[in-house]
Amino acid sequence: AQSVTQLGSHVSVSEGALVLLRCNYSSSVPPYLFWYVQYPNQGLQLLLKYTSAATLVKGINGFEAEFKKSETSFHLTKPSAHMSDAAEYFCAVALAGNTPLVFGKGTRLSVIA
Amino acid sequence: DAGIIQSPKHEVTEMGQTVTLRCEPIFGHNFLFWYRDTFVQGLELLSYFRSRSIIDNAGMPTERFSAERPDGSFSTLKIQPAEQGDSAVYVCASRRLDRGSYEQYFGPGTRLTVT
Repeated sequence: AQSVTQLGSHVSVSEGALVLLRCNYSSSVPPYLFWYVQYPNQGLQLLLKYTSAATLVKGINGFEAEFKKSETSFHLTKPSAHMSDAAEYFCAVALAGNTPLVFGKGTRLSVIA
Repeated sequence: DAGIIQSPKHEVTEMGQTVTLRCEPIFGHNFLFWYRDTFVQGLELLSYFRSRSIIDNAGMPTERFSAERPDGSFSTLKIQPAEQGDSAVYVCASRRLDRGSYEQYFGPGTRLTVT
């Protein structure tokens, strides 16, 4: 069975600083990995996905994530935080095939002016 | 594409009552998923459908929970009878059947409060 661990339920950064949100997965087969973002009072939106092509994946709003098989990680980064990035971020994993996503518990990102 | 529509947005009910939540997925999406979002557990999968067939409902917490998708389009999640511990946000998601299309699209959720 696959699972996802997000380290840090709350991360706070200053505006303009690097954003790093950590995600580690466990899977018996090469996984498909996703990051979703949830803004207040809105549904989850897809930020980016890894589906066994390039290991460095670029998403919307300047975010990117790198798949590292040796570390079983898929950390999300953004070089310079913006106030509008304040939201909750979820990492998710799926096996190849028609299986549902399994989510981490989420990391709330706060951006300080 | 129109997004996923969930109704109601907020439901307040008393213990012992029957609650019915509705989800209308994105048109053409074959798979439909019901999740429950709580502060303690995060997003938990309750059940999911392919067309009108339920594929897995092992995540349903008790027999008080049931889900249907009678014609393969909209779905309902019923809690009968509701208990205080059922208070949470219930989120519906859907995705296409295509190979290689693994991302799920999510609705805004229904916030259920059981008093």
